[in-house]
Amino acid sequence: EPEVTQTPSHQVTQMGQEVILRCVPISNHLYFYWYRQILGQKVEFLVSFYNNEISEKSEIFDDQFSVERPDGSNFTLKIRSTKLEDSAMYFCASMPGQAVNYGYTFGSGTRLTVV
Amino acid sequence: GESVGLHLPTLSVQEGDNSIINCAYSNSASDYFIWYKQESGKGPQFIIDIRSNMDKRQGQRVTVLLNKTVKHLSLQIAATQPGDSAVYFCAPPLSRQLTFGSGTQLTVLP
Repeated sequence: EPEVTQTPSHQVTQMGQEVILRCVPISNHLYFYWYRQILGQKVEFLVSFYNNEISEKSEIFDDQFSVERPDGSNFTLKIRSTKLEDSAMYFCASMPGQAVNYGYTFGSGTRLTVV
Repeated sequence: GESVGLHLPTLSVQEGDNSIINCAYSNSASDYFIWYKQESGKGPQFIIDIRSNMDKRQGQRVTVLLNKTVKHLSLQIAATQPGDSAVYFCAPPLSRQLTFGSGTQLTVLP
């Protein structure tokens, strides 16, 4: 069964450093998402991406965050200057088409720890 | 403000019993609902979905019931197994974002 693959599974970084979280969505999917989950809290939407541009973003997704699809297979989330409160699980998801009822497929996540 | 995916936080059931996980929503315009399962350390996993023109939908060992009058969904898991232990969310999409509530932690007791 096709999977969304995320790397690394765990990333530890110093506060103020830049991190790039990587995702390989399912190959024929067109819509891509990043969500995050702070330990013990809800899964929160960050950003959606379609046709090589951001289609929606939440208030969490400020100027410190950016997304790219650099090569047609990878989908990356960059945090420019990490803060302690960025520590969370980050999930990538992809979806094949426009209608939400095509269903989202989530990756297993990257645990980001900012120290 | 609107509330979505309100769940009781925990549910414990004996292995082999049926589980019923409930979810309430407030947006009467929601026309599609997805149930997700999240095991510890993993991403949410699609279980089953239901459109607002349906009252019931069945999958393998799972049934979702939708009561639009009282804005309530339930997920029923038949013959609950240890592998069913996880957090369960109902997540009505708003536009193309999923909006997750806090979920219900299902614990299966031996």
